[in-house]
Amino acid sequence: AQSVTQLGSHVSVSEGALVLLRCNYSSSVPPYLFWYVQYPNQGLQLLLKYTSAATLVKGINGFEAEFKKSETSFHLTKPSAHMSDAAEYFCAVSEPHNAGNMLTFGGGTRLMVKP
Amino acid sequence: KAGVTQTPRYLIKTRGQQVTLSCSPISGHRSVSWYQQTPGQGLQFLFEYFSETQRNKGNFPGRFSGRQFSNSRSEMNVSTLELGDSALYLCASSLEEGRNTEAFFGQGTRLTVV
Repeated sequence: AQSVTQLGSHVSVSEGALVLLRCNYSSSVPPYLFWYVQYPNQGLQLLLKYTSAATLVKGINGFEAEFKKSETSFHLTKPSAHMSDAAEYFCAVSEPHNAGNMLTFGGGTRLMVKP
Repeated sequence: KAGVTQTPRYLIKTRGQQVTLSCSPISGHRSVSWYQQTPGQGLQFLFEYFSETQRNKGNFPGRFSGRQFSNSRSEMNVSTLELGDSALYLCASSLEEGRNTEAFFGQGTRLTVV
């Protein structure tokens, strides 16, 4: 079964600083990869997804992620953090041998933005 | 276009009781998935339904069950509730089956078992 590791359960950055949230997956077959954001007491919102079309994926709110097969990574970045980016972020993969919509999530990273 | 609607938003139940949660997907979406979110275990997949058929099932005991109706609305049921079932239950709908189809999540139902 797939597994997803998000390094760092909490990340703190200053407003205007670079945001880097790490995600590594385990799969010998390139999976489909997703980043979701969750605000307090809310569901999950898709930020971006990798579906093998391009290794650098741009998402909403200025976020982007780069798929690196050699490193089995899909790290999320944003050049300049905003206070409104404070939330929990989840990396997810879809099972390579499954035709459905089942997602396996990482443990999540809570991003804190300091003024 | 209305998003994914989950009802109720909050629920308090007693150990041993059963509970039914409801999810109305986005209009036209045929795939509905359920996830359990807890501080200790994170987000875990429960099951997925597509066109009234269960396509995938996570590693949860048989006390957890679900179904999907012909209008794509879905319900999940938990019987003989345990304290550990306290969690945020999230429903997600997708337009079609397929690994790269975006899943749209509802706001969840927060279940507290006392």
